[in-house]
Amino acid sequence: AQSVTQLGSHVSVSEGALVLLRCNYSSSVPPYLFWYVQYPNQGLQLLLKYTTGATLVKGINGFEAEFKKSETSFHLTKPSAHMSDAAEYFCAVNNQGGKLIFGQGTELSVKP
Amino acid sequence: KAGVTQTPRYLIKTRGQQVTLSCSPISGHRSVSWYQQTPGQGLQFLFEYFSETQRNKGNFPGRFSGRQFSNSRSEMNVSTLELGDSALYLCASSGLAGGLTDTQYFGPGTRLTVL
Repeated sequence: AQSVTQLGSHVSVSEGALVLLRCNYSSSVPPYLFWYVQYPNQGLQLLLKYTTGATLVKGINGFEAEFKKSETSFHLTKPSAHMSDAAEYFCAVNNQGGKLIFGQGTELSVKP
Repeated sequence: KAGVTQTPRYLIKTRGQQVTLSCSPISGHRSVSWYQQTPGQGLQFLFEYFSETQRNKGNFPGRFSGRQFSNSRSEMNVSTLELGDSALYLCASSGLAGGLTDTQYFGPGTRLTVL
């Protein structure tokens, strides 16, 4: 069965610092991977996704992620954190069509 | 294009009651998925409907059910509510085919509180 592990339930960075949110997946078939962001009292918004092709994927709001098959990882990065990036971030893998399997989430705090 | 809408946004029920939540997908989308979000269990898949047929089902008891109408609008029903059913219920719709690479677009959720 496919699964997703996000290392670190809470990550705190200073404004302007690098953001690194870790995601590892287990999958016996080529994975389709997603990063979503959730702001308080809202639904989930897609940041980026990997399907096939280029392993470095660029998303919205300056985020990007690199698919590394050898490490079964899909870590999310942003060079310079902004206060508005404070939110909860979820990594997910698509298992069967409309069924996303999510990691436990990482709450990102940004200090001024 | 209008996004995914869910009604109501907030609900308070008591144990033993039943509840129906509604989801209207993005126009043209035929796949609708439902998820339960709780602090302890995170985001868990409930079920997915595609063209009025349940295509996938998660590991939830039979008290949780759903359906999809010909206009792709979907409802989920929870009968005999338990305290543990308190959660944010999220609906998501995706593409024309609802395939593995399709992006799921999420609604704002319905916050259910069971007293």
